[in-house]
Amino acid sequence: DIQMTQSPSSLSASVGDRVTITCRSSQSISTSLNWYRQRPGKAPSLVIYSASILESGVPSRFSGSGSGTDFSLTISSVQPEDFATYFCQQTDSTPPTFGPGTKVDIK
Amino acid sequence: QVQLQESGPGLVKPPQTLSLTCTVSGGSISSGGHYWSWVRQHPETGLEWIGYMFHTGSTYYNPSLKSRATISVDTSKNQFSLNLSSVTAADTAVYYCTRVSSWAIVRGVIKGAFDIWGQGTTVTVSS
Repeated sequence: DIQMTQSPSSLSASVGDRVTITCRSSQSISTSLNWYRQRPGKAPSLVIYSASILESGVPSRFSGSGSGTDFSLTISSVQPEDFATYFCQQTDSTPPTFGPGTKVDIK
Repeated sequence: QVQLQESGPGLVKPPQTLSLTCTVSGGSISSGGHYWSWVRQHPETGLEWIGYMFHTGSTYYNPSLKSRATISVDTSKNQFSLNLSSVTAADTAVYYCTRVSSWAIVRGVIKGAFDIWGQGTTVTVSS
């Protein structure tokens, strides 16, 4: 199975801060990488797919980049609803696997 | 818009079979535009993909479940279901059904994004 790692595991930010989360895969996955946001007590929701494509309805302050083994998710100006846990997921090979998550909380 | 809702018992005794159903509203499983999937989330080990299903009945499973998982579809009810046999405490988790969009099959691998999720249902395995 492809192993996914994320860094940092948690971070604190203030509203309006720029935040970047990184995700690394144990082998090359091209751009078969998705990002999800999970608010406390809720199901995950899709934010970015295919590494850089913004899901419909997701604010443009979110952006994704990367290919191969290294990826990043950036929130240009963190809003209160963005304080959540973010997961990356690879679908380049079966089984699709998720990263352990990065928790973004309020400073 | 399309919504998914999981249902099933919250408590299962080992080594019984866990059975969950996902009801799809606002869209048809039979339309063929999507795969459908089950994912679970353990507090300690995170998110784990269980399997995919297409409306034709084609299925793909996570090998880690060692053939304990079965996903089936009832297009007349617009539902799909998960059966997980021989459960142990390690199967205690929140179970989500999801829709898979923007998919393509490349070298036999389904690549897509899990764009709609149910709210999740907590299943505890305990005697």
